[in-house]
Amino acid sequence: GAVVSQHPSRVICKSGTSVKIECRSLDFQATTMFWYRQFPKQSLMLMATSNEGSKATYEQGVEKDKFLINHASLTLSTLTVTSAHPEDSSFYICSARDRGLLDTQYFGPGTRLTVL
Amino acid sequence: AQTVTQSQPEMSVQEAETVTLSCTYDTSESDYYLFWYKQPPSRQMILVIRQEAYKQQNATENRFSVNFQKAAKSFSLKISDSQLGDAAMYFCAYRINGNKLVFGAGTILRVKS
Repeated sequence: GAVVSQHPSRVICKSGTSVKIECRSLDFQATTMFWYRQFPKQSLMLMATSNEGSKATYEQGVEKDKFLINHASLTLSTLTVTSAHPEDSSFYICSARDRGLLDTQYFGPGTRLTVL
Repeated sequence: AQTVTQSQPEMSVQEAETVTLSCTYDTSESDYYLFWYKQPPSRQMILVIRQEAYKQQNATENRFSVNFQKAAKSFSLKISDSQLGDAAMYFCAYRINGNKLVFGAGTILRVKS
């Protein structure tokens, strides 16, 4: 299947700092990428839909000024957690939509964010 | 609103046996897609199987097969000849053409040796 990478896999930061997470589709172009948040033993919660060349669409309750999303190219989307606080600690997962024959979403390996 | 329900928080199966994970969904659409994703302890989401709603034939992928009952809005996953590597959290998901995935709460599958 298609490959999606995420970087970094783990990050620990101090409260008040900003953290950027990258999501890359390695072998296909993705005009649409998605960002999810997952708490332990729970399902994935969609935060926003990232569209190349346009503004991201945020789900209800997600602060767009806190979670900045940029989708500057067909293979890269970034999520920046601004002024991170301990409650932002979570597992963040991206996915990329491959509009090829199967039109399927492929997921990155996730990023564990710990805010001290 | 579309919803996906997985009524089994946890399931156990003996190695080499067969297990079925349940999933029901609610939609008023006629054209949509259904998926089963596996999330092992590494937390990498892996696509297990997909089903297009317009196809009556149940999808199969090696030891994995689905029982798709469109009228009942049911989409169960059968894992045959279970292996230790099948132990994971399994998520059922629904998607209208082009739109976001809606996930169920997940089922933890434990495989006993």
